[in-house]
Amino acid sequence: AQSVTQLGSHVSVSEGALVLLRCNYSSSVPPYLFWYVQYPNQGLQLLLKYTTGATLVKGINGFEAEFKKSETSFHLTKPSAHMSDAAEYFCAVSVTGNSGGSNYKLTFGKGTLLTMNP
Amino acid sequence: DAMVIQNPRYQVTQFGKPVTLSCSQTLNHNVMYWYQQKSSQAPKLLFHYYDKDFNNEADTPDNFQSRRPNTSFCFLDIRSPGLGDAAMYLCATSRDGQASNQPQHFGDGTRLSIL
Repeated sequence: AQSVTQLGSHVSVSEGALVLLRCNYSSSVPPYLFWYVQYPNQGLQLLLKYTTGATLVKGINGFEAEFKKSETSFHLTKPSAHMSDAAEYFCAVSVTGNSGGSNYKLTFGKGTLLTMNP
Repeated sequence: DAMVIQNPRYQVTQFGKPVTLSCSQTLNHNVMYWYQQKSSQAPKLLFHYYDKDFNNEADTPDNFQSRRPNTSFCFLDIRSPGLGDAAMYLCATSRDGQASNQPQHFGDGTRLSIL
């Protein structure tokens, strides 16, 4: 079974500092990996995804993530944080559903809350 | 140009009084999902439809039901809401459930409160 672990439930950075949110996955088959962002009282918005090909994936709002198979990691980074980046971030891995194997579901990590230092 | 629309954004109901949450999509996606998200937790999948095929998660309480009358609409029915059902309910869609690299597109959710 696939699973996702997000290290650190809460990360706080200063504006302009590097953002690093950690995600490790467990999967018996090549995974598809996603990062989502959730602002207060809103749904989840896709930041970026890794399916195949280039292991460094660029997303919206200046975020990127690198798939490292040897480390089973998919950490999210942004070189320079902005106040508007304060939100909850979820890493997710896709799994094959149990319904005839034809549907897929997302397994989410527990989320990392990113806050900005005043 | 919202693509996954949930109504209402906030819903208050009484303990034990049935409530229905609605979701519509303009993406013409095959798959529609309902998630429950409690404060500071990850979304928890309740069930999903692949076209008209309903797929229930094993641990979804019987109190939760769903209907998908057509491609665009999906409803979440809570027959007898308890205090523990107070949460944010998220609807999501994806283009093709057979392709596990397809992302899910989420609505802004309905926050349900139980009095």
